[in-house]
Amino acid sequence: DVKVTQSSRYLVKRTGEKVFLECVQDMDHENMFWYRQDPGLGLRLIYFSYDVKMKEKGDIPEGYSVSREKKERFSLILESASTNQTSMYLCASSSGTYSNQPQHFGDGTRLSIL
Amino acid sequence: KQEVTQIPAALSVPEGENLVLNCSFTDSAIYNLQWFRQDPGKGLTSLLLIQSSQREQTSGRLNASLDKSSGRSTLYIAASQPGDSATYLCALREGRRALTFGSGTRLQVQP
Repeated sequence: DVKVTQSSRYLVKRTGEKVFLECVQDMDHENMFWYRQDPGLGLRLIYFSYDVKMKEKGDIPEGYSVSREKKERFSLILESASTNQTSMYLCASSSGTYSNQPQHFGDGTRLSIL
Repeated sequence: KQEVTQIPAALSVPEGENLVLNCSFTDSAIYNLQWFRQDPGKGLTSLLLIQSSQREQTSGRLNASLDKSSGRSTLYIAASQPGDSATYLCALREGRRALTFGSGTRLQVQP
């Protein structure tokens, strides 16, 4: 089974802090994704990566950056956390470029910014 | 821009009932459609993936159908159980590799 592991289930940080959310997958997938999930707004794509050191902006990249130094690890960075970034963050991975393989998700990180 | 709608937003049924969850989308140029289950406070579990060339997929008590021409997919759950209580999400994959999600249907199966 594919395993996508997010480093923290719950995280509480202060406004202005630099926050790192980590995600690791064990299936050698090329593609990795960061989404956030908010009540009434659903899941929205922040960033994705289709190869090491490659990244593309999603629908809501403002206030975030990402890092992918190794194929199995994809980090989401909140440069200066703000209260409107309080949310559930979900990492996902999938294989291939044009393959029709499913996306697999981690358990999520519930982040609170105080 | 693709819009994905799931109706109803919430559904409560007695145990044992067969039920259908609906997903509609505005742009039929999709690669595939994926149904997920999400338990409260948890991540997403993939249930079924239907390729754009397929009409349906089955897994146990679940059957998902896809009609691209009408922009619709349904998830059929047979003989529902209390353990099926969760939020069900449909998501489309278009040209890029990420997914576009519906807002979900929250299902409660009463014992």
